[in-house]
Amino acid sequence: SQQGEEDPQALSIQEGENATMNCSYKTSINNLQWYRQNSGRGLVHLILIRSNEREKHSGRLRVTLDTSKKSSSLLITASRAADTASYFCATASNNNDMRFGAGTRLTVKP
Amino acid sequence: KAGVTQTPRYLIKTRGQQVTLSCSPISGHRSVSWYQQTPGQGLQFLFEYFSETQRNKGNFPGRFSGRQFSNSRSEMNVSTLELGDSALYLCASSTLTGGRTGELFFGEGSRLTVL
Repeated sequence: SQQGEEDPQALSIQEGENATMNCSYKTSINNLQWYRQNSGRGLVHLILIRSNEREKHSGRLRVTLDTSKKSSSLLITASRAADTASYFCATASNNNDMRFGAGTRLTVKP
Repeated sequence: KAGVTQTPRYLIKTRGQQVTLSCSPISGHRSVSWYQQTPGQGLQFLFEYFSETQRNKGNFPGRFSGRQFSNSRSEMNVSTLELGDSALYLCASSTLTGGRTGELFFGEGSRLTVL
C-alpha cells in the first residue's frame, strides 16, 4: 500500500513560474525523499529531508517538512520545460521499506 | 561508476507463462528493492533484499518471488502470469536497508506486457 499521497495529481504551468507539490503521509518517518520520473523511465533522486529538519534547499528546489501535520511540500522555482515529469514523494520509516505516493504530473509549457 | 542495470528492458509474455527479471545494482550497494509501477496503482513495493536475505516484503501474492546473489545481483520471478501483471518493474539499489534507507538509485525498468 502507498504511504504518501501527492497533491495535486496534475499541474500545468508556464515556463518561469513556480511549481508547488504537496505530499501527505500517515505514519512516523525517518526521512522523506522526493524523486522525479521522466515518462516510462527510472526514478531519479532529487532531495532528502530528515525528520528533524524543517526545510532544505538544492538549487531551484525547496522542500519543507511538517511532521506535526505529516506533510511535505516541494517547490520548484523558475520552472523550465525540461522540468516536465512526474514527481513522487517517498517515506522511509524504522524497519520499513520506502513507500511512494501516487505522484504529481507536472507539465511546464514553453 | 555504472548505474543500476535491469534486463530485459522490454518483454512480452502470455498468460500462464513465467518471467524472470534481472537487476545489477551499483557496485558496493548491498540493498536491492523491487517495485511494480502501473497507471492505476502507482509504485507498489514488492520486496527488498540485503546481503542475500529478504528484509521486507510488500503485499503481493506468492507468484511474485525474488532472490539476491552473493554479488548483490538480484532476480525477481513472476509465475503464472496474469493480465494484471503488465507493468513497469523497477529495481533500486542502496547502501542502506529498511528504516535507515537513504537515497535509492533506480534502473530504467523492465516493461512487461502480458497478453
